Order: sequence, then structure tokens, then C-alpha cells
Amino acid sequence: TQLLEQSPQFLSIQEGENLTVYCNSSSVFSSLQWYRQEPGEGPVLLVTVVTGGEVKKLKRLTFQFGDARKDSSLHITAAQPGDTGLYLCAGAFVDSNYQLIWGAGTKLIIKP
Amino acid sequence: EAGVAQSPRYKIIEKRQSVAFWCNPISGHATLYWYQQILGQGPKLLIQFQNNGVVDDSQLPKDRFSAERLKGVDSTLKIQPAKLEDSAVYLCASRRPGLLTGELFFGEGSRLTVL
Repeated sequence: TQLLEQSPQFLSIQEGENLTVYCNSSSVFSSLQWYRQEPGEGPVLLVTVVTGGEVKKLKRLTFQFGDARKDSSLHITAAQPGDTGLYLCAGAFVDSNYQLIWGAGTKLIIKP
Repeated sequence: EAGVAQSPRYKIIEKRQSVAFWCNPISGHATLYWYQQILGQGPKLLIQFQNNGVVDDSQLPKDRFSAERLKGVDSTLKIQPAKLEDSAVYLCASRRPGLLTGELFFGEGSRLTVL
């Protein structure tokens, strides 16, 4: 069974603090995506990482793909209330079915 | 381009009743997914279509759930009879053809409450 463990499950911090969310697996992925989901909406893609060791930045968000392409992290610097949401990682296997394995999600609350 | 359309947004039914959800993917997207999402959790794949063929329905509870995509465009997910544990958001997603990295585009979801 392919699993993608995401941690922490829940995080509540003050505005201006930094945080890191992790996704770990024993499986090697072709790529890994990070999504953010706000209440009442579907997940929206933030970034895709493809190459082992790759680092991508999206304003205050930094995404890293592990060297072995088994794990990834999302770091938010100086969190803002607008960052509040459910963060989901999804590992992709590029085969004929393009299978995606989803993490359980990290519910992030940024308090003003 | 228009996004993934889903309807209805909300549905409340009693257990043992039936319900159907509709999804229209982004034009030209051959791959369509139905996911079940329990509040605060990650999506669980129910079924994946490639055009009008089923690619993966291994986690679909086939005794009560069914889905079709007859013309390879829009799709319907049906639950009959519904159980209390079916209360969830049902998300439809589509994927651009030829995109190796597999990013999905989601609709807003259909929230089902079973009483």
C-alpha cells in the first residue's frame, strides 16, 4: 500500500510566525504537488516539484522536494491570516494511469 | 477557460434515499476523477475515467455507488441507497491531456448530508 504521511495534522499559530509542513513516503514519486483548499471550495494547485532536491518559491511559501523524491516540505515565512486553509500534498506516479496518492492534509489557522 | 462545474452544491437527504451529482470538466480534459472528502481530511479517490472508460474504480463501493461518463465529457455519480457515513463533499476533478506531472483542476464540490 502506497502511503503519503503528512504532518502536522493541525497547526494554529500567530500571524508573523514561521511554520513547516511535511509529507513523507517510502515510495519514489515522479512528481509531488501541493494544494491549498479553503472552506467550501475545491483544492487549488500551488506548485509542482519534479526534480530531486528541487526548491520552488511562491512569495512567502518555499517548497522542497527531497533528493530521493520520497518526501517534501512546505515552509511559510511570516504567516498571514490569508494563509489559513487546508494544505494537501499529492504524490504522482507517472504511469499509464497517472496515479495520485494524497496526504491527509494539514489544517492551518493563522491568528491575527 | 471555464473551470470544472459541479452541481448541486448542497444536498440533504435521509438515509436509504438516492442522490446524483453532476460534473462537467474543463473542455478538452480527457481524464476525470470523482473524490470523496470527509471534513478536514484529504480526498479519497472513488473513480477515475479516461474519456468514457474506467481506469480505476477499486475504492468505489459498488454496492451503492455508481458513476458514468457516457460521452466522455460530463459525468454523473450516483449513491443508492445512501448511508449516514456517505455524508461528505464529493469533488470532481479533471486533468489536462499529455501533462506528465498530473496536476488536477477541481470543482467546488457537492456537499452531501445524510440524515
